[in-house]
Amino acid sequence: GAVVSQHPSRVICKSGTSVKIECRSLDFQATTMFWYRQFPKQSLMLMATSNEGSKATYEQGVEKDKFLINHASLTLSTLTVASAHPEDSSFYICSAGKQVRAEAFFGQGTRLTVV
Amino acid sequence: EDQVTQSPEALRLQEGESSSLNCSYTVSGLRGLFWYRQDPGKGPEFLFTLYSAGEEKEKERLKATLTKKESFLHITAPKPEDSATYLCAVQGGGGSYIPTFGRGTSLIVHP
Repeated sequence: GAVVSQHPSRVICKSGTSVKIECRSLDFQATTMFWYRQFPKQSLMLMATSNEGSKATYEQGVEKDKFLINHASLTLSTLTVASAHPEDSSFYICSAGKQVRAEAFFGQGTRLTVV
Repeated sequence: EDQVTQSPEALRLQEGESSSLNCSYTVSGLRGLFWYRQDPGKGPEFLFTLYSAGEEKEKERLKATLTKKESFLHITAPKPEDSATYLCAVQGGGGSYIPTFGRGTSLIVHP
């Protein structure tokens, strides 16, 4: 398999502050990474596709200005939740694959709580 | 549009009681079908990739099979530690390489 590391695993922040989540592929280079959001007892909701060296592609309904994605290198993508509000509280997960058309490996997830 | 439907939504088994989880899909040109296991509060853990009808893969008590319309995840003599949500996803052969996920099957194995 392959290892994808996500940090932090849990974060609690005050409403109005920004939170950055990191996703790293530890033993392979990932041209593309995916960011998901998961609500309790529901499946994964794709938020955006992160492409190294270019702008992310966001899914319909996902606010680009609130969920800022940067894919600065082949092993690192970051998701910044800008001016977080309680409704942004959720479980965020990233994934990456060794090849575009192959299985993806997931990070451990980040539980964000905005108070 | 690719679609994935998993059934049942939830499954309760007694330890040792074998069963199967179903993943029905529609996709234009299947590139791969993936099975994942997800424990509460964690990211999905990759289990298997199946590429073509008739293919089978095994790992401990789990065996995944694939036909042209569906995939099964067979669990033989499950143990309580097999309790988790099992997710199925497909990757189509069209221009998009984004996998489509099902809603998952929540499995609980009672001792």
